[in-house]
Amino acid sequence: SYVLTQPPSASVAPGQTARIPCGGDNIGSKSVHWYQQKPGQAPVLVVYDDNDRPSGIPERFSGSNSGNTATLTISRVEAGDEADYYCQVWHVSSDHAGVFGGGTKLTVL
Amino acid sequence: EVQLLESGGGLGQPGGSLRLSCVASGFTFSSYALSWVRQAPGKGLEWVSGMSGSGGNTYYADSVRGRFTISRDNSKNTLYLQMNSLRAEDTAVYYCSKDSSGASTGLFDYWGQGTLVTVSS
Repeated sequence: SYVLTQPPSASVAPGQTARIPCGGDNIGSKSVHWYQQKPGQAPVLVVYDDNDRPSGIPERFSGSNSGNTATLTISRVEAGDEADYYCQVWHVSSDHAGVFGGGTKLTVL
Repeated sequence: EVQLLESGGGLGQPGGSLRLSCVASGFTFSSYALSWVRQAPGKGLEWVSGMSGSGGNTYYADSVRGRFTISRDNSKNTLYLQMNSLRAEDTAVYYCSKDSSGASTGLFDYWGQGTLVTVSS
């Protein structure tokens, strides 16, 4: 099965840039999506297909994907960005399966 | 406005069954694939099962294959998850999520608020 690896936590000061990595075997060949989840709420899609943003998501959210690592970048971090962030791919092999990373809790200092 | 409303959660017995429902509105239901994603208490997201818009293709996580069955009724704009042979490790909030296309691509652009399933004797 395909595995996505994220650090369990990250921290950043307001106004700075947060970078959250997501590791996977040759993940650069896949489309990576990122979700934000705040406590008690459903996940929200913030970046899709590596580096596209749904309508309503600030330009401060961006992504990149190459080799074995995809990265979510949040520029000019705000207190409201504090949340859990999950990377996700759709793995096509002998079967199809959704795969999520373990999630990274972003703390805004 | 896209809305997904899950129901059917509650307390289930180990070895027992529950059926979850997800009623959708705000989009052409039969044109989009849907999935169930769960989250155990204090844990991360786990994809459970998906179904294409036509219902012709279904997919399952290894952890539930053979025990859970996904289905949909496009005339009622409703997605289902029949959960049999329940285990304690199935305890989680179950989310219904909409795919961005009719085929399952794993791009979940809208999510419901979830329904809690607790498996305990």
